[in-house]
Amino acid sequence: AQKVTQAQTEISVVEKEDVTLDCVYETRDTTYYLFWYKQPPSGELVFLIRRNSFDEQNEISGRYSWNFQKSTSSFNFTITASQVVDSAVYFCALSVSSNDYKLSFGAGTTVTVRA
Amino acid sequence: DTGVSQDPRHKITKRGQNVTFRCDPISEHNRLYWYRQTLGQGPEFLTYFQNEAQLEKSRLLSDRFSAERPKGSFSTLEIQRTEQGDSAMYLCASSLVVEVETQYFGPGTRLLVL
Repeated sequence: AQKVTQAQTEISVVEKEDVTLDCVYETRDTTYYLFWYKQPPSGELVFLIRRNSFDEQNEISGRYSWNFQKSTSSFNFTITASQVVDSAVYFCALSVSSNDYKLSFGAGTTVTVRA
Repeated sequence: DTGVSQDPRHKITKRGQNVTFRCDPISEHNRLYWYRQTLGQGPEFLTYFQNEAQLEKSRLLSDRFSAERPKGSFSTLEIQRTEQGDSAMYLCASSLVVEVETQYFGPGTRLLVL
């Protein structure tokens, strides 16, 4: 079975601060995919990034960066110089081929960025 | 390329009534998924289709729930005899078979059962 844990329920920061969201996953599959989705108040889940289990390179996209470490089964997400528009719920998710790529989500972390 | 659309966006109903939701996937996406999200939780898988074939139903999907994708394009999710516990956000997602691992979500249908 697959499991995703997001231990942080809520994070509140002041604009321009950096914020790091933790994600720990569990799976016995050797081939798997990790995702981050953003859910603003409107409710739509917005795809941010996908990483596969064979690619441990960290990735940066604008103010977003991701740190994937197989040794600790973690896939953490950092927002640099946060902005009010970053306020949302962020979900980490996992899919594996043996489960036909159905997504298993963490409980989400609510990020509030104050002006 | 338009995204996944869902209709209605909000639905309020009385306990015992039937409701039906519609999802239109991204054009040419073969796979279509339904998830349910309750307050403060991540989405949970309900069922999915490849073209018109329903491949799996979660144990979360009681006999009161039925989903269809008759022509392999849009899908409907019907809940019969709604209960207050059915109140949730119902999310639809789609993906391409050649990129099956990446799902794109619609805006969801928020259901409130009174």
